[in-house]
Amino acid sequence: AQSVTQLDSQVPVFEEAPVELRCNYSSSVSVYLFWYVQYPNQGLQLLLKYLSGSTLVESINGFEAEFNKSQTSFHLRKPSVHISDTAEYFCAVSETGGFKTIFGAGTRLFVKA
Amino acid sequence: NAGVMQNPRHLVRRRGQEARLRCSPMKGHSHVYWYRQLPEEGLKFMVYLQKENIIDESGMPKERFSAEFPKEGPSILRIQQVVRGDSAAYFCASSLPGQGGYEQYFGPGTRLTVT
Repeated sequence: AQSVTQLDSQVPVFEEAPVELRCNYSSSVSVYLFWYVQYPNQGLQLLLKYLSGSTLVESINGFEAEFNKSQTSFHLRKPSVHISDTAEYFCAVSETGGFKTIFGAGTRLFVKA
Repeated sequence: NAGVMQNPRHLVRRRGQEARLRCSPMKGHSHVYWYRQLPEEGLKFMVYLQKENIIDESGMPKERFSAEFPKEGPSILRIQQVVRGDSAAYFCASSLPGQGGYEQYFGPGTRLTVT
């Protein structure tokens, strides 16, 4: 069975500082990996995804995540955060050839001025 | 192309009443997923449906909860005899047919409050 662990429930950080949100997964088969973002009182939006190919994937708003198969990790990073990045971030995994997506518990990123 | 639509956005029910939550997937999407998000918790998978078929309901409570996705019309998540513990945000997502790596598009959610 698959599982996703987001190691930090809350991450406070100052504006323009770098941030890393950690995600580890477990699966006995190959997987697809996702990061979603949820702004207050809204649904989830896809931030970026890894399906195959380059292990480093980027989003349009400066986030990136690196798939590390040996460490079964998919950490999300941004070199300089903005106030507007304040949101909850969910890591998710689905098996290649499967249909169910398993979500982590979420990490609340709080960017302070 | 309209996104995933859910209604109502907010629903208040008294204990013992029924709650019906509706989800219209994105055009062209035939796969629908329902999730529940409890306060301060992550997203929990409830059920995965295709048109007229329940594919996986392993996350659904055994009693009082049911879901359907008819050939015509929206997907419905139905909660009978609601209790306070059912208060949560319920999200619907849809995706293209296929397996695994297709992105799920989420609706804005229905926030159910049981008084």
